[in-house]
Amino acid sequence: DGGITQSPKYLFRKEGQNVTLSCEQNLNHDAMYWYRQDPGQGLRLIYYSQIVNDFQKGDIAEGYSVSREKKESFPLTVTSAQKNPTAFYLCASSIVQSESGYTFGSGTRLTVV
Amino acid sequence: AQSVTQPDIHITVSEGASLELRCNYSYGATPYLFWYVQSPGQGLQLLLKYFSGDTLVQGIKGFEAEFKRSQSSFNLRKPSVHWSDAAEYFCAVRTNAGKSTFGDGTTLTVKP
Repeated sequence: DGGITQSPKYLFRKEGQNVTLSCEQNLNHDAMYWYRQDPGQGLRLIYYSQIVNDFQKGDIAEGYSVSREKKESFPLTVTSAQKNPTAFYLCASSIVQSESGYTFGSGTRLTVV
Repeated sequence: AQSVTQPDIHITVSEGASLELRCNYSYGATPYLFWYVQSPGQGLQLLLKYFSGDTLVQGIKGFEAEFKRSQSSFNLRKPSVHWSDAAEYFCAVRTNAGKSTFGDGTTLTVKP
């Protein structure tokens, strides 16, 4: 069964630490996306990638970094520069054409302790 | 820049009643429009999409949506709501560049 897997489901970060969220898909999708979701707010785009070894900043990229070394994988690193990282993080993938919807992972909840 | 507005933060309907969730968008070109549903603590699932052709589109779980260009709207409807429909619903517009912009969501509560 094809799908998109995010891990871990829950993640705790100490002040000053970098943490990496995993996102893997076996849908053969070229495009992958990272969104942040806060209570009462919609999804805000952090980074996206439409091809291997290339990615673009979204609306709230500061304090985050990504890589796209393989088509299947798009990990997100939350760096110590992100001052308010506690949120629900969602990874999505799609084919590049705009009439296609996204397939989402089940999310990672990151909490700063 | 594109934007999506969902005017209703929270809607409560009785089980068996009809439902309409509102969505207004702003985008300069032909919009690609989507509705997604999210259960608590989960990712989003695609309900339906519009990109051309018939302005009334059918989706999964008995949902439908109507695209009205003159009103810049893409409202989601269901004739009879079930308790399992309680969730958060997001409208989104996708641009030619492939990125999607989401509304802030509408939380649906279903009364028995």
